[in-house]
Amino acid sequence: GQNIDQPTEMTATEGAIVQINCTYQTSGFNGLFWYQQHAGEAPTFLSYNVLDGLEEKGRFSSFLSRSKGYSYLLLKELQMKDSASYLCAVFSGGYNKLIFGAGTRLAVHP
Amino acid sequence: EAGVTQSPTHLIKTRGQQATLRCSPISGHTSVYWYQQALGLGLQFLLWYDEGEERNRGNFPPRFSGRQFPNYSSELNVNALELEDSALYLCASSLLGNSGNTIYFGEGSWPTVV
Repeated sequence: GQNIDQPTEMTATEGAIVQINCTYQTSGFNGLFWYQQHAGEAPTFLSYNVLDGLEEKGRFSSFLSRSKGYSYLLLKELQMKDSASYLCAVFSGGYNKLIFGAGTRLAVHP
Repeated sequence: EAGVTQSPTHLIKTRGQQATLRCSPISGHTSVYWYQQALGLGLQFLLWYDEGEERNRGNFPPRFSGRQFPNYSSELNVNALELEDSALYLCASSLLGNSGNTIYFGEGSWPTVV
């Protein structure tokens, strides 16, 4: 079967660091994506990991361990505008489609 | 460079009617994906088209159908609309659909079924 798990909700304080975890079980693996989605808007691309390790992009970093079926998105120096849903998605070559987790709603407080 | 464009943004239909949603991919992209996102829920995969062919479909009834045109634009048709079809429908595009290329989303279409 296919399964992508991430926490439903998280809260954090402005200026802090937050880590959003994602675990997956899929048939085949062709890469893992993280998207940000503000309420009522379309998802926007944040990062893509296909090899193990950490990818850093400014305040956002994403980590992948294929052997563990695990990824995380790290957000540093949190800003109020980072309050959004963060979607983990796996491109499953076996099923030829991008499978999304249910998303993690992050609330950043002053 | 224009992103993925979808139309209409909003539409209102009554139960039993048909809705047609349209999508133009980013120039050069050959793969188009359709997702449904019901209010407060995750993205559910509907359909994937690449080079004019349907490559995969999600667990949706046959009244959800679509096609991809020679210019790679796509239509999603929903027949015999039901109230629960009221949701955000997102179109996305990428280069070469099965190679893990980044997928970019349009702004979505919101059909409301009354």
